[in-house]
Amino acid sequence: EVQLVESGGGLVKPGGSLRLSCEVSGFSFSNAWMNWVRQAPGKGLEWVGLIKRKTDGGTTDYAAPVKGRFTISRDDSKNTLYLQMNSLKTEDTAVYYCTTFDSAAFQYWGQGTLVTVSS
Amino acid sequence: QTVVTQEPSFSVSPGGTVTLTCGLSSGSVSTRYYPSWYQQTPGQAPRTLIYNINIRSSGVPDRFSGSMLGNKAALTITGAQADDESDYYCVLYMGSGILFGGGTKLTVL
Repeated sequence: EVQLVESGGGLVKPGGSLRLSCEVSGFSFSNAWMNWVRQAPGKGLEWVGLIKRKTDGGTTDYAAPVKGRFTISRDDSKNTLYLQMNSLKTEDTAVYYCTTFDSAAFQYWGQGTLVTVSS
Repeated sequence: QTVVTQEPSFSVSPGGTVTLTCGLSSGSVSTRYYPSWYQQTPGQAPRTLIYNINIRSSGVPDRFSGSMLGNKAALTITGAQADDESDYYCVLYMGSGILFGGGTKLTVL
């Protein structure tokens, strides 16, 4: 059974940092492209960024609102995806989901972790 | 800036058929954007319904189908049921980035 479990969410002040983790099981993580997707309270889904598998270069792409502030990384030995979020803004408040990406689509989703940026 | 457009809301009667669409603010939705569709109910993670235009994800009932309609992607629900009442999002893979539509809130009544 495929499982994705996010952790690391919480309350942080504007300008602060937070690192989210997503531990996966049930599939070959090292062969997977992975994404982060977020959803602000009462709003729609928004793509945050992706990381390719190492055999495809392990490169990353980010949405414009987070570029330069967020960094996605992966540890294939731990089956874990990370999202380092710096210089957080109130508008980054959202539930953050990690997802697999295959055939140009999100396939499996975690349950999400809530990040609240507030003073 | 390119925006993916969806109907903000739609209503369908139980047993009825509804088609939701996914367009672009400028230009047409191309098959090379591999349109996909997701269902989300309040408080839950999204569920993948359709990918690569018309491929149903595992476990998705065949009353959900995807297609291209003119210059848009489309999701059709045939024989709508009460538990189809959800938000539906389309996604386009643009190569160097991924775009979500704003979502369609579907009411079944």
